[in-house]
Amino acid sequence: SAVISQKPSRDICQRGTSLTIQCQVDSQVTMMFWYRQQPGQSLTLIATANQGSEATYESGFVIDKFPISRPNLTFSTLTVSNMSPEDSSIYLCSVALGGTSTDTQYFGPGTRLTVL
Amino acid sequence: AQTVTQSQPEMSVQEAETVTLSCTYDTSESNYYLFWYKQPPSRQMILVIRQEAYKQQNATENRFSVNFQKAAKSFSLKISDSQLGDTAMYFCALRTRRSGSARQLTFGSGTQLTVLP
Repeated sequence: SAVISQKPSRDICQRGTSLTIQCQVDSQVTMMFWYRQQPGQSLTLIATANQGSEATYESGFVIDKFPISRPNLTFSTLTVSNMSPEDSSIYLCSVALGGTSTDTQYFGPGTRLTVL
Repeated sequence: AQTVTQSQPEMSVQEAETVTLSCTYDTSESNYYLFWYKQPPSRQMILVIRQEAYKQQNATENRFSVNFQKAAKSFSLKISDSQLGDTAMYFCALRTRRSGSARQLTFGSGTQLTVLP
């Protein structure tokens, strides 16, 4: 597995502001993922972030709202822009470890975001 | 499209007893992987166990084992000698073996397991 950290662990933000969440892993990984988990719900994939290329967003998520950076093989950021109370969720990053077709995803501890 | 269904939103078990969590799935792929993750109140998603679809032998990790029925597309998790620390939300997940966008995980809705003292 890998040691994955996220900052901040939680935050309370005002409507209309933006928050950048950082994800750091202790080894080089090709694929990183960002998920959203709304209260009492399962995980929904926001985007896949590969180093050196643009992130790939899932249906319902757009780059203007959730810009992602992937400057190197151990780090990624997710920004939640122009926040509204509906953005209150846990945001988790994950990394894929293993072979190209056999990898397993391991998750960071998550960031609990509350938007007032 | 892939789907994962967990039909038990909540379950409880007495400490030291055995409990089985159900999961069914649907995919058109023949090669895929199945996972159980647990999410305790700390919200950290922790990998519990993984099963390759091409392996007939059921995976086992200490007190955790699976009953993988490929024809029935069923993947249940058995927890033996339940401990208080097993209290968590358990998610079943499916990933196909092909590279690219199909590598994303599809999660079930989760089962909240409470271990009672």
